[in-house]
Amino acid sequence: SAVISQKPSRDICQRGTSLTIQCQVDSQVTMMFWYRQQPGQSLTLIATANQGSEATYESGFVIDKFPISRPNLTFSTLTVSNMSPEDSSIYLCSVSPGTSSSGANVLTFGAGSRLTVL
Amino acid sequence: GQNIDQPTEMTATEGAIVQINCTYQTSGFNGLFWYQQHAGEAPTFLSYNVLDGLEEKGRFSSFLSRSKGYSYLLLKELQMKDSASYLCAARDSNYQLIWGAGTKLIIKP
Repeated sequence: SAVISQKPSRDICQRGTSLTIQCQVDSQVTMMFWYRQQPGQSLTLIATANQGSEATYESGFVIDKFPISRPNLTFSTLTVSNMSPEDSSIYLCSVSPGTSSSGANVLTFGAGSRLTVL
Repeated sequence: GQNIDQPTEMTATEGAIVQINCTYQTSGFNGLFWYQQHAGEAPTFLSYNVLDGLEEKGRFSSFLSRSKGYSYLLLKELQMKDSASYLCAARDSNYQLIWGAGTKLIIKP
């Protein structure tokens, strides 16, 4: 399965600033996804990063707040803009290059970026 | 609406068996996944069920009943390293994953 490097692993940020999270995959993948995981809550899909076109955002997430880049098939970035304490969360990059023995598309995740906004 | 329910936390004893339940309500159904997530680490794939019945993989088994919208993950011969959160996710008719909040499993000696 693919190996994902995600950085930073954690950061403490000031309110009103922006932070960019990087996701590097060791193989070319078509689909890259960005998730948010808040304490005690389910994984929430922010957007799908598309190579060569704009990201596809889920309901409740907008490009101005979470701009995404996907310059090639192995790399993507997610920026959390104008941060507030409510943005404190773990942000996870994931890809879907593999299948299980039953034929399911299995997600592989990065280790996540834990952001704390003061 | 679409929803996944699983217990928030469970405690079990090393060497014992534990069953983590998951119920789902989705618009259509295209399979159910279980992931394991150790604290501070990435979720990792455990199992996938799309047909009714039990899928066994070593110490871990996963069961699905589509008519009941129900799945469980069964962990046998529990080890301390099994202490983790277990995430249930169902895939709907649009192949979107709907995630549960996870069950934190605490293993005691």
